[in-house]
Amino acid sequence: KNEVEQSPQNLTAQEGEFITINCSYSVGISALHWLQQHPGGGIVSLFMLSSGKKKHGRLIATINIQEKHSSLHITASHPRDSAVYICAVRLGEETSGSRLTFGEGTQLTVNP
Amino acid sequence: GAVVSQHPSRVICKSGTSVKIECRSLDFQATTMFWYRQFPKQSLMLMATSNEGSKATYEQGVEKDKFLINHASLTLSTLTVTSAHPEDSSFYICSARRDRGETQYFGPGTRLLVL
Repeated sequence: KNEVEQSPQNLTAQEGEFITINCSYSVGISALHWLQQHPGGGIVSLFMLSSGKKKHGRLIATINIQEKHSSLHITASHPRDSAVYICAVRLGEETSGSRLTFGEGTQLTVNP
Repeated sequence: GAVVSQHPSRVICKSGTSVKIECRSLDFQATTMFWYRQFPKQSLMLMATSNEGSKATYEQGVEKDKFLINHASLTLSTLTVTSAHPEDSSFYICSARRDRGETQYFGPGTRLLVL
């Protein structure tokens, strides 16, 4: 069992739809990241969360520490949102050498 | 957000040659830089973690003599793939963070093809 699991693996939506991507993890973490990887490969850091909720434009990220679960929501989705969305967690205590553990990613395709 | 650059973005080389990839944090000083490798349709795999001025910490299974990492300054880390072979062909991504507890920013990646 992966320490970080994402669902769904693939998601196809119509432009304008509300989208939710889920991430569950199995152990204590110090932080959770949501990343976006476009077809060219470049990765953009969308959010870093340790509690609560963050919003940036049409993107909202929430985390429930007790349930070890996070969600990434996209409102009014657009074809340019098509990308792979990756959940990554920093396991355990934050130290200078602690590393991110990545989920498998969710391939999102938004059709016009 | 902060910007991390990588150079080159793409490189094709012959088997047996060495390739150097640069990673720079453009608008912040990065105490820690990370090097990842990603194969098609797979997740990022951490290769090594480097802190400025000290030796890199390599993940199990990553040959430190093959993948040389230098983090000589707070804004520059280099990864040198020595005596590259076709199986080293991959997408290499660096990441940097200012300090522990802060966001990790990712570079655009370098696609390496070894013929």
